[in-house]
Amino acid sequence: EVQLVESGGGLVQPGGSLKLSCAASGFTFSGSAMHWVRQASGKGLEWVGRIRSKANSYATAYAASVKGRFTISRDDSKNTAYLQMNSLKTEDTAVYYCTTDTAMAYAFDIWGQGTMVTVSS
Amino acid sequence: DIQLTQSPSFLSASVGDRVTITCRASQGISSYLAWYQQKPGKAPKLLIYAASTLQSGVPSRFSGSGSGTEFTLTISSLQPEDFATYYCQQLNSYPPFGGGTKVEIK
Repeated sequence: EVQLVESGGGLVQPGGSLKLSCAASGFTFSGSAMHWVRQASGKGLEWVGRIRSKANSYATAYAASVKGRFTISRDDSKNTAYLQMNSLKTEDTAVYYCTTDTAMAYAFDIWGQGTMVTVSS
Repeated sequence: DIQLTQSPSFLSASVGDRVTITCRASQGISSYLAWYQQKPGKAPKLLIYAASTLQSGVPSRFSGSGSGTEFTLTISSLQPEDFATYYCQQLNSYPPFGGGTKVEIK
């Protein structure tokens, strides 16, 4: 079965750190770019960032709102992508999804179930 | 950056209605546009990619059209399970998503 499963969400204080994981199965993870998308309660989808495959030099890109604070990485041997979040702010509170484009169709065909991150004192 | 503007942002319709949602890109994106459906508490679901290609398993009442800067998602006969929020998305540049269109029951 093709799937993505996120984990690692929780409650963290402002200024704190959290690392999310996204475990993939059922498709060629090593060849796929992996993206993170978040959604605050009642709001729209916000792209967070992505990491490309080894063939594309593991290139990363980030939204301006998280650049310098968040880092995306991957471990192809574990079929897992990560989102390291530092210097967290209350406005980072959201459900975080990992997603990918397995068909190379410029569209996200596989999504995880999401993991909730709450930044609050 | 390429901005996507969806209209309307909110739509009230009845079962059986024909519904059209528009997505306008600030620059031409050829046919690199996708549409998603999202229900409360769930991850988005891909409906259409490459502007008009129906994702496997998606009912044929959904269709997409357009190229360049103007795109539409049409639901030919709205069903009860179609009440949801719809997003357009492009991957030519970031940020990729439109602001969303919430389709509610009239």
